[in-house]
Amino acid sequence: KAGVTQTPRYLIKTRGQQVTLSCSPISGHRSVSWYQQTPGQGLQFLFEYFSETQRNKGNFPGRFSGRQFSNSRSEMNVSTLELGDSALYLCASSSSTGSTEAFFGQGTRLTVV
Amino acid sequence: TQLLEQSPQFLSIQEGENLTVYCNSSSVFSSLQWYRQEPGEGPVLLVTVVTGGEVKKLKRLTFQFGDARKDSSLHITAAQPGDTGLYLCAGDRDYKLSFGAGTTVTVRA
Repeated sequence: KAGVTQTPRYLIKTRGQQVTLSCSPISGHRSVSWYQQTPGQGLQFLFEYFSETQRNKGNFPGRFSGRQFSNSRSEMNVSTLELGDSALYLCASSSSTGSTEAFFGQGTRLTVV
Repeated sequence: TQLLEQSPQFLSIQEGENLTVYCNSSSVFSSLQWYRQEPGEGPVLLVTVVTGGEVKKLKRLTFQFGDARKDSSLHITAAQPGDTGLYLCAGDRDYKLSFGAGTTVTVRA
């Protein structure tokens, strides 16, 4: 079956703008998590959605938000972009059986200039 | 501060050599997962260990979960260039994954 799909793959934005990233999970997976990956901080957990509800949240400012739709697809939004938001944003889906085993997409490389 | 500490941060070895990557924490985890990430790609799950003292083998890769479920190790026997990548451990607490900073492994031909 198809893997996790993230769009777009690459994005360049200007400081102060906002951005929306999209993630389509593996068919049948109802949990979607988002991570930020940078060389300095590694993989940092942003938030997790399950059945359209945010179930877990990491330690990121309110400029980072997300949502999940009834078909389990998810979007994350970053408002008022800062240079430090430049990173690889990864989406991962997990099955709904209580497992946290994550299946990652290829990520969206966001560059803020 | 990372909940999981991985060591070493970088490892460069010759093809055919063995290597071990360590993942340590002061916290207890329900399970511990290992992932490998290649440049430009997302991490790929290699294995999940659940029981304290558990050992799992995946071809030339051997994974061990500490008795107290606080630490883990990954051992690669006779490394090959295809083993090159970023190895990440991730601990599961309350259905939330925390990742280590990763170990970059380079296997030279």
